[in-house]
Amino acid sequence: QSALTQPASVSGSPGQSITISCTGTSSDVGGYSYVSWYQQHPGKAPKLMIYDVSNRPSGVSTRFSGSKSVNTASLTISGLQAEDEADYYCSSYTSSSTWVFGGGTKLTVL
Amino acid sequence: EVQLVETGGGLIQPGGSLRLSCAASGFTVSSNSMSWVRQAPGKGLEWVSVIYTGGATYYADSVKGRFTISRDNSKNTLYLRMNSLSAEDTAVYFCARVLVWSHYFDSWGQGTLVTVSS
Repeated sequence: QSALTQPASVSGSPGQSITISCTGTSSDVGGYSYVSWYQQHPGKAPKLMIYDVSNRPSGVSTRFSGSKSVNTASLTISGLQAEDEADYYCSSYTSSSTWVFGGGTKLTVL
Repeated sequence: EVQLVETGGGLIQPGGSLRLSCAASGFTVSSNSMSWVRQAPGKGLEWVSVIYTGGATYYADSVKGRFTISRDNSKNTLYLRMNSLSAEDTAVYFCARVLVWSHYFDSWGQGTLVTVSS
C-alpha cells in the first residue's frame, strides 16, 4: 500500500495552466479507470474534483480536467484563479479492494 | 442534502482506545460503501478503512488488527473503533461516502481530531 507519487508543489500565474501528475503501479492507477482527485483548502474537508480519471462532478468548473496514461494520472487546471490555491490529492482504487492516496501537491497561484 | 458529522475525537493516552462516530443524513449508510480517511497534522490524506454495502471490511496495513469499522443501520451511523493507539495515529479522521458501484469519495464530513499523547 505505497502512496501514489505526486510533486510536492506546483505554481502558476493567474490565467495560466498547470498539470499535477500522480504515479502509481499496475495494481492501482494502471489497473483501473478509478482515479479521483480532491481539492483541500486549509482546515477544510477534501472536495471531489475529478472521478473515474476524467469525469467532473456537477458544479465543478470545466477548468479542471483529468487524464491517464499507463501508470500515471494527471490533473490539469486551466485559466488559474486565486481560489484554486489549495492542496490537491489523487486517489486510486486498488486490486486489494482498498484505496490509496497520493502524498499531495500544494498549488500556489503567484 | 447529504451530511456527515463525525464525533468522538479527543485526547487519549498511548495504548488507549476510542470510538469515532459518523452520523449520516440525507442518504442511507447501508445502501452505500463508507470509508474512513485520516490526515496527520501537516501531512497528506491516508485511507484507513472501508465497509462495503454487503458488509465486507478492509483496512490499511497501518491499522489492521487494531481498528474496526462498523455501522448501525438503525442509527444510520458509521463507526471506527480504535485500539492500541499510538502517537502515529494522531490525525483528523474524516468519514466519506462511496456511492454504490463507484470508486471515489463523493461526500465528506468535517473531521474529528484524535490526539494520542501522554
